[in-house]
Amino acid sequence: DIQMTQSPSTVSASVGDRVTITCRASQSISSRLAWYQQKPGKAPKLLIYKVSSLESGVPSRFSGSGSGTEFTLTISSLQPDDFATYYCQHYNRYSCSFGQGTELEIK
Amino acid sequence: EVQLVQSGAEVKKPGESLKISCKGSGYSFTSYWIGWVRQMPGKGLEWMGSIYPGDSDTRNSPSFQGQVTISADKSITTAYLHWSSLKASDTAMYYCARNYGSDPVDYWGQGTLVTVSS
Repeated sequence: DIQMTQSPSTVSASVGDRVTITCRASQSISSRLAWYQQKPGKAPKLLIYKVSSLESGVPSRFSGSGSGTEFTLTISSLQPDDFATYYCQHYNRYSCSFGQGTELEIK
Repeated sequence: EVQLVQSGAEVKKPGESLKISCKGSGYSFTSYWIGWVRQMPGKGLEWMGSIYPGDSDTRNSPSFQGQVTISADKSITTAYLHWSSLKASDTAMYYCARNYGSDPVDYWGQGTLVTVSS
């Protein structure tokens, strides 16, 4: 199984800050990397797929990058609605696996 | 409109069996995988397995193999997650989610909270 490791586990930031979350895979996963946002009591929401493709309706302040085993999610200017937990996910035809999550909290 | 509607919250005792459901609508149910994801209280997301209702092909996470059974009834566009003998450690929120081929999940159910307690 491919293991996904996110860092940091928690990040404290303020409205307007630029935030970057990192996700590392235990082996190369090509471009099959997605990012999800989850708010308390809600199902996750797809933000980015194929490393850097923005899901329809997701604000352009969200961006993804990376290749091979190291990937990043960047929020360019934090908005109040962005405080949530973020998960990376490796996916393919046969399985998927999630990172452990990064909680983005208000400083 | 694509919808995945899950069955309601359950409270069960250890050793009891349980089947929860996920009804898909607004899309071709037999053309998308339906997966199940566990989220234990205060914890992260764990993929349990997926089923392709078109031919009932199933993929299981090694971590959940033998612990649960995933099935689907395409005639009523519903997928299921079944336990034959629940444990307290099965207490969690369970989400169903769909994906197309090797694409990521794009729609999620609202979640079913399962509480197992004596």
